[in-house]
Amino acid sequence: GDSVTQMEGPVTLSEEAFLTINCTYTATGYPSLFWYVQYPGEGLQLLLKATKADDKGSNKGFEATYRKETTSFHLEKGSVQVSDSAVYFCALITGTASKLTFGTGTRLQVTL
Amino acid sequence: DVKVTQSSRYLVKRTGEKVFLECVQDMDHENMFWYRQDPGLGLRLIYFSYDVKMKEKGDIPEGYSVSREKKERFSLILESASTNQTSMYLCASSWVRGTDTQYFGPGTRLTVL
Repeated sequence: GDSVTQMEGPVTLSEEAFLTINCTYTATGYPSLFWYVQYPGEGLQLLLKATKADDKGSNKGFEATYRKETTSFHLEKGSVQVSDSAVYFCALITGTASKLTFGTGTRLQVTL
Repeated sequence: DVKVTQSSRYLVKRTGEKVFLECVQDMDHENMFWYRQDPGLGLRLIYFSYDVKMKEKGDIPEGYSVSREKKERFSLILESASTNQTSMYLCASSWVRGTDTQYFGPGTRLTVL
């Protein structure tokens, strides 16, 4: 079945550092890929998405590129802020399925 | 903006009680979902519904049931709550099945004593 693997956290960075959170997937067919973010005490918010190979999703300074050859969708940001501290989930969905398949989440802690 | 609301942010119940979690979306979405979130396990789908009065089991439906009498409302029911159902419950909705974005509510943290 479909699965998503993302790097274990927590990831601790200083403000203005470069962020990478790795995400790889296995899927039947051609999935759409998502990054969701969960701020403390809140539900999940869509951060960005990509629906086909080589698409780049971007939002709020975050970027991720759909790499079919490496089955990856790594999340990057050039300069993180304290307000980016949250849990980040990589997810996929294929075809007409309804179920999002999530990774286990990566907690990011950004310090001054 | 899409808004998905859940009836409670925090809920404490006793073992054996019947528990109702309510979810309402305001964007006329066809599809609604219930997930539970547990540390180290990510989010797992309990049930979903793609139309009024329609429902399908997700990955972990045991111990749960759902009701969708109106398009905007999707209820999760724990017939007899147990301590292993202590979790964060998240509701989501989307326009169509498949690769459409799902929009999430703020979650209900349920504790079963």
